[in-house]
Amino acid sequence: GEDVEQSLFLSVREGDSSVINCTYTDSSSTYLYWYKQEPGAGLQLLTYIFSNMDMKQDQRLTVLLNKKDKHLSLRIADTQTGDSAIYFCAEAYSGGGADGLTFGKGTHLIIQP
Amino acid sequence: GAVVSQHPSWVICKSGTSVKIECRSLDFQATTMFWYRQFPKQSLMLMATSNEGSKATYEQGVEKDKFLINHASLTLSTLTVTSAHPEDSSFYICSATGGTSGYNEQFFGPGTRLTVL
Repeated sequence: GEDVEQSLFLSVREGDSSVINCTYTDSSSTYLYWYKQEPGAGLQLLTYIFSNMDMKQDQRLTVLLNKKDKHLSLRIADTQTGDSAIYFCAEAYSGGGADGLTFGKGTHLIIQP
Repeated sequence: GAVVSQHPSWVICKSGTSVKIECRSLDFQATTMFWYRQFPKQSLMLMATSNEGSKATYEQGVEKDKFLINHASLTLSTLTVTSAHPEDSSFYICSATGGTSGYNEQFFGPGTRLTVL
């Protein structure tokens, strides 16, 4: 089965908050990531969280980690049309320097005007 | 952030031919490069990890004789799909990182779309 799971689509109104959820199965995951993929562009790292953290905030982005439930979420405040993209959750045992990442299938964020 | 390029961005080839995809780190030295494959509506799947000057480490189920990886310099890794078949059609993405200890961000290339007829 999947190691990292995400819902495929999320639709929100412009200006509302978007919450994208992710679950993972590997309890040894040390780093958890959120990437953004826009058409024709490479994956862009949005943020990452170390497994001993519960929350991380960076401007409009808030990441929550529930390590007990192996649940990760990304909240985008005041969602804008430019936030329309595919968002990937990913995990790694180490900090990316030596290990490849395990990705979810990605969540398509659709912004309604 | 650091820039990783891939060439070509897309390629169409006939079944049975070989295709080479290049991945370059433009402004940093990449000690480790990773190759991923992404099928439509699927996640990126790690194919192999490549360290400069060493043989690549392949993930389970990835044929090393079919997907030849060379990482001869600190700024270039190549993936050659040998004797390509239609089932090899996919989106191939590379990433590069500049270190192997502590936290080192992986920088992703824009991907290469391979279509095998």
